[in-house]
Amino acid sequence: DTAVSQTPKYLVTQMGNDKSIKCEQNLGHDTMYWYKQDSKKFLKIMFSYNNKELIINETVPNRFSPKSPDKAHLNLHINPLELGDSAVYFCASSQVLGAGDTQYFGPGTRLTVL
Amino acid sequence: QKEVEQNSGPLSVPEGAIASLNCTYSDRVSQSFFWYRQYSGKSPELIMSIYSNGDKEDGRFTAQLNKASQYVSLLIRDSQPSDSATYLCAVKGGSNDYKLSFGAGTTVTVRA
Repeated sequence: DTAVSQTPKYLVTQMGNDKSIKCEQNLGHDTMYWYKQDSKKFLKIMFSYNNKELIINETVPNRFSPKSPDKAHLNLHINPLELGDSAVYFCASSQVLGAGDTQYFGPGTRLTVL
Repeated sequence: QKEVEQNSGPLSVPEGAIASLNCTYSDRVSQSFFWYRQYSGKSPELIMSIYSNGDKEDGRFTAQLNKASQYVSLLIRDSQPSDSATYLCAVKGGSNDYKLSFGAGTTVTVRA
């Protein structure tokens, strides 16, 4: 069973389009995250939700909008897409919110904006 | 914003040798420290966590933490070709800081 899953795995789209990436975790965790990993492998937090409440909102353009319909799901909507959005986006979850909790990562979504 | 710096790679070691990875962090109140391994094209996976000064051993991996020096390291003993990956150091702040800050990673290649 996949613990943290993301769809799609690959996404190729045109600049200016409107796309979503979905994430689901079946671990029963309370907290979910979105990270962006650029071409230099630098992994940076974008958003975090705890029990559907937004708790981390980094300096991210408002073209990015997360949505958490329930604590098992966290989706990322991007509109409009720009060339610089090309990266791998990882979803992660952790059992509790706070220092010391282990984060489990999904397989990643490789986004290419043409 | 915490800064997390890792020694630049790539690091190439022969099979059976010890690979030594270093990480420093800027936020003195940081409390939790993690090492993640990321194979090419895959997601990061946790291999070690450490919260107290000193050494923590898990199989062939040893994490070392020195909060006074704001330094955390990872030793991989008896390196195997399967250890070839990028190793990411991650740091979490105090109890009210929920963010995990990652270093840029050190790529390790173990030569057979």
